Amino acid sequence: ETGVTQTPRHLVMGMTNKKSLKCEQHLGHNAMYWYKQSAKKPLELMFVYSLEERVENNSVPSRFSPECPNSSHLFLHLHTLQPEDSALYLCASSQDGTGSDTEAFFGQGTRLTVV
Amino acid sequence: AQKVTQAQTEISVVEKEDVTLDCVYETRDTTYYLFWYKQPPSGELVFLIRRNSFDEQNEISGRYSWNFQKSTSSFNFTITASQVVDSAVYFCALSDSGYNTDKLIFGTGTRLQVFP
Repeated sequence: ETGVTQTPRHLVMGMTNKKSLKCEQHLGHNAMYWYKQSAKKPLELMFVYSLEERVENNSVPSRFSPECPNSSHLFLHLHTLQPEDSALYLCASSQDGTGSDTEAFFGQGTRLTVV
Repeated sequence: AQKVTQAQTEISVVEKEDVTLDCVYETRDTTYYLFWYKQPPSGELVFLIRRNSFDEQNEISGRYSWNFQKSTSSFNFTITASQVVDSAVYFCALSDSGYNTDKLIFGTGTRLQVFP
């Protein structure tokens, strides 16, 4: 149990579907992140929320839409995805300190397959 | 540019062998942090170690040890007497201080397979 829980663990969706990924953390952290992990590529940071405010968006296509209703929950809303969006989506949280002196805690990820 | 390179894509060893995973980084920052994470088949990344740029002392934790050398921008990870349970993908990461918060820049990972 890492303290960061992601649901669902696996998701298969068609290109016209709309679905949402959910992340929940009970660690009292105030920063949350979405990462995308594709085969043979580095983990790509998608979004960063600090104190429920989006502070970074790394040129992610608009078919991915994040939502952070409170410091414990983070969502990633998906619509009209492409097959190349198939990947493992990892959520992480950290205590947003200075100097990067705290590690991030990761969930187990959602394995997304777009058909 | 901030970058982390893990040149070894896959390593296979037999149990009880020692194995070193390489990590080379690039950064403009004078203050930064380096991390190693382990990703077992279950998917989550498990934090192993954090090292700040001012502390070049090597660290040992059980069978794990880390060698940080600023002169070569390397932060290598050695597992002594490897075990089957060490089989996983290992990621090296570098902190990147952003405007409002910090984020991690990851390498592509090294898949370690330990055979009995």
